[in-house]
Amino acid sequence: QVHLVQSGAEVKKPGASVKVSCKASGYSFTGYYLHWVRQAPGQGLEWMGLINPNKGGSTVAQKFQDRVSLTRDTFIDTAYMELSGLRSDDAALYYCTRDQGGATFDSWGQGTLVTVSS
Amino acid sequence: QSALTQPASVSGSPGQSITLSCTGTSSDVGGYNFVSWYQHHPDKAPKLIIFEVNNRPSGVSDRFSGSKSGITASLTISGLQAEDEADYYCSSYRRSDTYVFGSGTKVTVL
Repeated sequence: QVHLVQSGAEVKKPGASVKVSCKASGYSFTGYYLHWVRQAPGQGLEWMGLINPNKGGSTVAQKFQDRVSLTRDTFIDTAYMELSGLRSDDAALYYCTRDQGGATFDSWGQGTLVTVSS
Repeated sequence: QSALTQPASVSGSPGQSITLSCTGTSSDVGGYNFVSWYQHHPDKAPKLIIFEVNNRPSGVSDRFSGSKSGITASLTISGLQAEDEADYYCSSYRRSDTYVFGSGTKVTVL
């Protein structure tokens, strides 16, 4: 079955960068877009961006356009989300999720907790 | 990019039906039939319960149903059960390959 396994929790200082990985298994990695979603403490889900694992193209929410980079490695079926210039309000649980098409996020990673602290 | 508007909380007694709303604009909910709903229990990943407005994935209870009218989508939970207590989020495609989530509704079973 479909599995998305994310990298472990991270603790970063303000201004640093964090790179979260999402390893896919159980399906054709290049056949489905992968999205990144975050949830800050006490807040709702927030869409950050998507990557087309087949061609590598990505779309990032306007809010994150100058700070988020989405990449993938098709040899190891893994997608990456790198967030730079970390601020305290970037502390959140970050998820990757597979899109069946049309905002149908049918499988989710377990989440990666990012803590930002000096 | 503002979130879709959902009521902060909705409650109901076991066995009752409740309806959650999700209001957007003509650029998202009103413009596409790409609205989905997610159930989110604390410390678990969100779970897809409705896709493309009114379709249920296999394995999801038929107590969950979706609909849309204009710029507002709705999720109805019938025969409310204790296990339905969770946060619920809608999501929609929003032009130019972007997406948006709703603000979330906390469902309480009284």
